Amino acid sequence: AQKVTQAQTEISVVEKEDVTLDCVYETRDTTYYLFWYKQPPSGELVFLIRRNSFDEQNEISGRYSWNFQKSTSSFNFTITASQVVDSAVYFCALSEKDSDMRFGAGTRLTVKP
Amino acid sequence: NAGVMQNPRHLVRRRGQEARLRCSPMKGHSHVYWYRQLPEEGLKFMVYLQKENIIDESGMPKERFSAEFPKEGPSILRIQQVVRGDSAAYFCASSPPGLAGNTGELFFGEGSRLTVL
Repeated sequence: AQKVTQAQTEISVVEKEDVTLDCVYETRDTTYYLFWYKQPPSGELVFLIRRNSFDEQNEISGRYSWNFQKSTSSFNFTITASQVVDSAVYFCALSEKDSDMRFGAGTRLTVKP
Repeated sequence: NAGVMQNPRHLVRRRGQEARLRCSPMKGHSHVYWYRQLPEEGLKFMVYLQKENIIDESGMPKERFSAEFPKEGPSILRIQQVVRGDSAAYFCASSPPGLAGNTGELFFGEGSRLTVL
């Protein structure tokens, strides 16, 4: 069964600091997909990124970057130069082929001015 | 192209009443998923449905909860005789036929927030 672990329950940083959110997953499938979602205080889920298991290339999108390492089953998310608007709960998720999406417990990020 | 539509966005019920949450998937999507998010927790899978079929209900509580996705109309998550512990945000997601066979991505609605008094 697939499993996602986000060991960091809460992180607090000061604006402009870099912060990395950890995600470790377990799966027996060779084909799977990893995701990050942001849930701001307003409550909706905002899709950030999808990565399939065959694409280990790291990705950068503005201040966001993702480090996918199959060797350690990790899919970490880094925010560079954090801003107050980055304050939210961030969820890592995993779906296997023809299966539902399973979420980690989430990491609550607070960015203080 | 409208996204996943959930209603009501907010629902208040007294203990013992019934709650019905509706979800209209994105156009062309035939797979629907329901997730529950308790306060200060992550999303927990409840049930996966296709039109007129429940595919996986391993996350559904055994009593009081039911879900359907009829041939016509939205998917319904029904909670009978609600209790305070049912207070949560209920998210619906949809995916196209073949689901995760393509991208694995689910498209989420904005959630329905149930408060039980």
